Parts: sequence; structure tokens; C-alpha cells
Amino acid sequence: NAGVTQTPKFRVLKTGQSMTLLCAQDMNHEYMYWYRQDPGMGLRLIHYSVGEGTTAKGEVPDGYNVSRLKKQNFLLGLESAAPSQTSVYFCASSTDFTGELFFGEGSRLTVL
Amino acid sequence: EDKVVQSPLSLVVHEGDTVTLNCSYEVTNFRSLLWYKQEKKAPTFLFMLTSSGIEKKSGRLSSILDKKELFSILNITATQTGDSAVYLCATTSGTYKYIFGTGTRLKVLA
Repeated sequence: NAGVTQTPKFRVLKTGQSMTLLCAQDMNHEYMYWYRQDPGMGLRLIHYSVGEGTTAKGEVPDGYNVSRLKKQNFLLGLESAAPSQTSVYFCASSTDFTGELFFGEGSRLTVL
Repeated sequence: EDKVVQSPLSLVVHEGDTVTLNCSYEVTNFRSLLWYKQEKKAPTFLFMLTSSGIEKKSGRLSSILDKKELFSILNITATQTGDSAVYLCATTSGTYKYIFGTGTRLKVLA
């Protein structure tokens, strides 16, 4: 019962470095989402995907790119990390876009 | 632009108290409203509401939706220290996105 798995769980980067966060789900869900969570800001949507090969921008997409080459995986990339991207990142998936959203455990990213 | 507003931002109560958390929304083509509880890690699902006036209940927690006045409430009776958490409200619409409020931080004192 893996559900939604995110890797890595923790990462420290220097300004300007790049990295990729991987999200994998084993529930055959069509819809996948990347959120960031900052103190007092709730969950803000970065990018989302409504199926394999599709991606779309959310509320705060600048500085991030995503890809959904396989249905079960949704990758979030930071090309040139900035301190403002220090946050906890959550991946989530759902079988449709109105029902329960299943979350991964989160990835804490610090950019120095 | 879709918007979800939760109140209060934070709340401190004593064990045994009853609390009511509020979630109001402005959403085009509303489909559903969801409540989540977040302790230290990932949010955990509590309720999904789609119809007005039908109460969802799970133990000491209950929730109801008012689609005319565009809000939902989450009630917790006989609170316990284990109820201490951030409670998140989210809405869905025809845009495929789940939009979250900023959450209500509840602290229950023994």
C-alpha cells in the first residue's frame, strides 16, 4: 500500500543549483498535483496534470517545470533554485478532479 | 479567480470544549468541498461534501455545506489533545484544480 511516494524527503541546495523531485503513485490516478506549503500560506498549487503527457500551470508556477511522461510519475524540477523556493513540497493525486486527494509525505527543500 | 477563506486563523481551547471551524468560498462551477486534518506531515482526509444541508459525521467530527451562502463548517465536539492540528478546507470546480484555504490552527489544552 505505497499510495503516493515522494523522493527525496529532504534536500539542501545552494542558490542556482538544479534538482528534481519525483512523485510516484500506484493507484492508477489520472490527476496529479504539486503544491508548496509555507507558514501561514496554506497549500498553493504549482503545477498539475490531468493525464499522461499533460501539464498545466497552477497559482505559483514561476521557477518550476514539470513533466508527466508516465501516468504513475509526476516530476517537479527547479532549474535554478532561489531562497524563495525554500518550502515543503507535497505531491497529490486523485482518481477524478472532485474527490479525495491523496497526498505524499512531503519533501522539505532548503535553498541557501 | 477561485478563493477559499478559513476562519479563525487559530484557536486555543480546553479539552472537552466544542469548536466550529469556518470555510467560505467563491468558486466558479463548484463541484465539491473537502476537509483535511494536518498534523506534522501530510494532510489526512476527513470529509467530502457536495450537497447542501446533508451532514457528514465521523465520531466527534461533523461537517455541513451551505451552497446558497457558499460556506461550510466543521464541528468538533468534546475536543481532545489529539485534535490539535491544522484543519484545511479545499474546493474543486470544473478547472480540475483543488484550491485550499490557509487553514485553521487548533490547539487543545489538557
